[in-house]
Amino acid sequence: NAGVTQTPKFRVLKTGQSMTLLCAQDMNHEYMYWYRQDPGMGLRLIHYSVGEGTTAKGEVPDGYNVSRLKKQNFLLGLESAAPSQTSVYFCASSSTGAFEAFFGQGTRLTVV
Amino acid sequence: GENVEQHPSTLSVQEGDSAVIKCTYSDSASNYFPWYKQELGKRPQLIIDIRSNVGEKKDQRIAVTLNKTAKHFSLHITETQPEDSAVYFCAASTYSGGRGSTLGRLYFGRGTQLTVWP
Repeated sequence: NAGVTQTPKFRVLKTGQSMTLLCAQDMNHEYMYWYRQDPGMGLRLIHYSVGEGTTAKGEVPDGYNVSRLKKQNFLLGLESAAPSQTSVYFCASSSTGAFEAFFGQGTRLTVV
Repeated sequence: GENVEQHPSTLSVQEGDSAVIKCTYSDSASNYFPWYKQELGKRPQLIIDIRSNVGEKKDQRIAVTLNKTAKHFSLHITETQPEDSAVYFCAASTYSGGRGSTLGRLYFGRGTQLTVWP
């Protein structure tokens, strides 16, 4: 049982490049989330999904897009990366949305 | 939306002492309050949670208290050990048992870096 798996673990992008972060969960959870973690800022919600085919904006959605075509996968896209998007990104999933959230191992993204 | 404030941002204690981290929330509708621990370079993991129908919950050396009237909740760690050193996050959420655009959102505090000195 892998839990929540993020791909890739590390990435360096040049300003203006695009990329997609993949989150996969094998716990049949309905809810999935993307957070970014910056020093002193805690975990800030980017986008989330309450089920397959649904997405919603979180606190800091600008510059990101998401898709949830399959229940087990939640993709985070950066269309034109900016240095301000340098961060550690965490995906999480939960079965009800308000109880335990299981986090992936994180993706460290650097935009130069 | 909900606003969760967490204090202090850093906390240093001697091994064996107690540590207390406090959080306040703004939305009186919030009814679920988890605490997550994140060790250096690792993912956040749930360590304890409390629902609004309970005032206190304990699990070995950790406990959480909730004051709904004052809208604050606290994490208490007794007999601290060096392996308790980590960043601790509080969070608040609203759960009504159904589906909706605001369900499932955890609002996190900014975290507390706890260092336990041997």
